[in-house]
Amino acid sequence: GAGVSQSPSNKVTEKGKDVELRCDPISGHTALYWYRQSLGQGLEFLIYFQGNSAPDKSGLPSDRFSAERTGGSVSTLTIQRTQQEDSAVYLCASSSMLAGTGETQYFGPGTRLLVL
Amino acid sequence: DQQVKQNSPSLSVQEGRISILNCDYTNSMFDYFLWYKKYPAEGPTFLISISSIKDKNEDGRFTVFLNKSAKHLSLHIVPSQPGDSAVYFCAASAVDSNYQLIWGAGTKLIIKP
Repeated sequence: GAGVSQSPSNKVTEKGKDVELRCDPISGHTALYWYRQSLGQGLEFLIYFQGNSAPDKSGLPSDRFSAERTGGSVSTLTIQRTQQEDSAVYLCASSSMLAGTGETQYFGPGTRLLVL
Repeated sequence: DQQVKQNSPSLSVQEGRISILNCDYTNSMFDYFLWYKKYPAEGPTFLISISSIKDKNEDGRFTVFLNKSAKHLSLHIVPSQPGDSAVYFCAASAVDSNYQLIWGAGTKLIIKP
């Protein structure tokens, strides 16, 4: 498939444990975004990677959240010492250009995280 | 502080009629607006967009209208079809926010047969 893929599709974890969420963007897309959607809320921006530039981490809610993008392709979002309020759908998107210049972001199916 | 607001959490429309989804924003620096559609258990998919230099953009059954003075945009779907039942998200971006998309909370559209 040529779309954005994410794994796992669902994750249930205990409070205090660490989790890793993976995103495989569309091949050739230089921009990669992580969002989360809590119940009844819009998408909340978390972090943005563009090419080899330093990532924009301004949306990360706390220092428990971090993300990497290795080799300009696959990205991993890590949440340390998970809390119940981290429960949400985590969405990854990729784009061939900056979103505001007319190109669109293509989303993966998301990872549903439930912290017990 | 929500910069993009979709005040209707849900909307029910008869099949064949027009669906109108509304979105309000507060940041006058937004220069690009998008609508995304989301089915359950799937990621959002791009539907239609509009630049702030325009007031209307049309693509088949979908038309987006932008009223900059009122900081309001709307998505019109006509005629509405059963497959249009989904959650619709409005998003906006601005050069001063590094083109990050700022999202509304979504409106669930239900098309009744």
